[in-house]
Amino acid sequence: DAGITQSPRHKVTETGTPVTLRCHQTENHRYMYWYRQDPGHGLRLIHYSYGVKDTDKGEVSDGYSVSRSKTEDFLLTLESATSSQTSVYFCAISESGQGETQYFGPGTRLLVL
Amino acid sequence: DQQVKQNSPSLSVQEGRISILNCDYTNSMFDYFLWYKKYPAEGPTFLISISSIKDKNEDGRFTVFLNKSAKHLSLHIVPSQPGDSAVYFCAAGGSGGSNYKLTFGKGTLLTVNP
Repeated sequence: DAGITQSPRHKVTETGTPVTLRCHQTENHRYMYWYRQDPGHGLRLIHYSYGVKDTDKGEVSDGYSVSRSKTEDFLLTLESATSSQTSVYFCAISESGQGETQYFGPGTRLLVL
Repeated sequence: DQQVKQNSPSLSVQEGRISILNCDYTNSMFDYFLWYKKYPAEGPTFLISISSIKDKNEDGRFTVFLNKSAKHLSLHIVPSQPGDSAVYFCAAGGSGGSNYKLTFGKGTLLTVNP
């Protein structure tokens, strides 16, 4: 199994509060991704990173920001959490990007009240 | 615009029989395809992949078939086992310049009955 951890694994927060989720990898892979999984939608890409300090938006990036100051860590921040951001969040990594398999972390279940 | 479609939300098969999960795509720029399996409360696990230059890839009980002209791929599991019960996601990558992004289908819940 790829060495990917996510923290926290579960979180309950209130509308309007900022939330930061952390993804940590021990594989030294260049690419990292944040997805959300919702019923009826499958997995949707929020943001991704193709190197330290290099990030870009995915298909559902509104309300989210990311940062990557080290190869091993990719942070996802909900600037002001809303109930629509209640979801399960998955981090993924891949070695080189093109044609490469992405490996997923265990997920963070977030509930915004 | 859903570029990767899994039209069957669920599938139920008997242990020992074949499971066939289907996936359709619309973007002809996709050049590799993957299947992931997901158990409840866990992250998706990579199962098998296929490049667009091939029409079949096999790994043990799992075989993926690709029909590029029909923009269709399928995952065959033979024989099916109760431990195969999970949600299966089809994913596609290689669409033009963003060729490291994956686009996922909505998933199919497979139930294998003992």
